[in-house]
Amino acid sequence: GAGVSQSPRYKVAKRGQDVALRCDPISGHVSLFWYQQALGQGPEFLTYFQNEAQLDKSGLPSDRFFAERPEGSVSTLKIQRTQQEDSAVYLCASSSRQKETQYFGPGTRLLVL
Amino acid sequence: SQQGEEDPQALSIQEGENATMNCSYKTSINNLQWYRQNSGRGLVHLILIRSNEREKHSGRLRVTLDTSKKSSSLLITASRAADTASYFCAPYSVAASYGKLTFGQGTILTVHP
Repeated sequence: GAGVSQSPRYKVAKRGQDVALRCDPISGHVSLFWYQQALGQGPEFLTYFQNEAQLDKSGLPSDRFFAERPEGSVSTLKIQRTQQEDSAVYLCASSSRQKETQYFGPGTRLLVL
Repeated sequence: SQQGEEDPQALSIQEGENATMNCSYKTSINNLQWYRQNSGRGLVHLILIRSNEREKHSGRLRVTLDTSKKSSSLLITASRAADTASYFCAPYSVAASYGKLTFGQGTILTVHP
């Protein structure tokens, strides 16, 4: 079956521009996670959804970061007024229930100039 | 923190040799997961070992877990060039919210043909 997909795969933005990153989880997966991965580092947790409810957004670095999953399937991570330090790979993962294996998408590589 | 710390940071071996990488963590866990990340790609789940298990095998992978020492090891036998990747461990605890995974910097494995 289809895995987790993300789009776009690459995004170049000018500083100050808004961007939207999309995640299509595996069909039927209840849990959805967003992670941010800086170059040479491991992924860092940003936010978690259970169905359409955002239950944990403790990892979002600032109020410029906003995530939604309105119908409990596709999720969008929005970054407003992008800064150079936002440059990273943004990974989405889904799982069928809490505490079990997470399946990761290929990521969106964001470069802010 | 339940973050896993991988050791060594980098490992370079010849094809056919075994590769061993280690993971240490600080809190009690329910399970520990290992992931692989090829350059520019998302993370791929390799294996999950539960806290009541001491050893687990999957193909050429062997994982051990010592909860008394709060450590785990991943052994890849008869390595191949295609095993070249970064490897991350992710300790999981129910005390952490909603199943989010906390990764270290990973071990970069290079297998020379």
